[in-house]
Amino acid sequence: AQSVTQLGSHVSVSEGALVLLRCNYSSSVPPYLFWYVQYPNQGLQLLLKYTTGATLVKGINGFEAEFKKSETSFHLTKPSAHMSDAAEYFCAVTRPDSWGKLQFGAGTQVVVTP
Amino acid sequence: EPEVTQTPSHQVTQMGQEVILRCVPISNHLYFYWYRQILGQKVEFLVSFYNNEISEKSEIFDDQFSVERPDGSNFTLKIRSTKLEDSAMYFCASSSRLTSGGTTGELFFGEGSRLTVL
Repeated sequence: AQSVTQLGSHVSVSEGALVLLRCNYSSSVPPYLFWYVQYPNQGLQLLLKYTTGATLVKGINGFEAEFKKSETSFHLTKPSAHMSDAAEYFCAVTRPDSWGKLQFGAGTQVVVTP
Repeated sequence: EPEVTQTPSHQVTQMGQEVILRCVPISNHLYFYWYRQILGQKVEFLVSFYNNEISEKSEIFDDQFSVERPDGSNFTLKIRSTKLEDSAMYFCASSSRLTSGGTTGELFFGEGSRLTVL
């Protein structure tokens, strides 16, 4: 079975400050990992994904995440928050042989303050 | 930019009624999915669909649920007899064929259909 835990349901960050969203996973096989973002009244949009290869992956809007197998983590970072980053962020995991069946975390709501 | 579209955006229904949620996936995509999110809970996988049949389904996807691709463009989720606990946001998603070399197709999600069962 696979699962994802996101630490912190709400995160408040100042504009220009580092954004750090934590995600830990549990998987019995090498996982595929994802971060999705959801803006108000919109669908889920893929920020970035890790499947194989380089463990530091870069995504859209200046976000990046690092897969750390030893820590079973896939934390999302952005060096400098922008007001437009205010949204809900979801970490998700799946198995390579069950692509499309994503297990989502509970989500982290990000608020950016001026 | 191509997108997944869902209708209706919000539907209110009485318990026991049948509901059909509609989705138009991205036109060249071959894999289709339904997810749902009950208010305050995680986004949950319901079902995946490929080549006109269900590929995988979760425990949630019982006999009350069915999916269909009635024509070349629509993908529907039917709930035969709605229950209060079916109230949720339902997301449709689609992806292209899996590519070779270990890369995989991104899931594109629609904006969701909010179902309220009274």
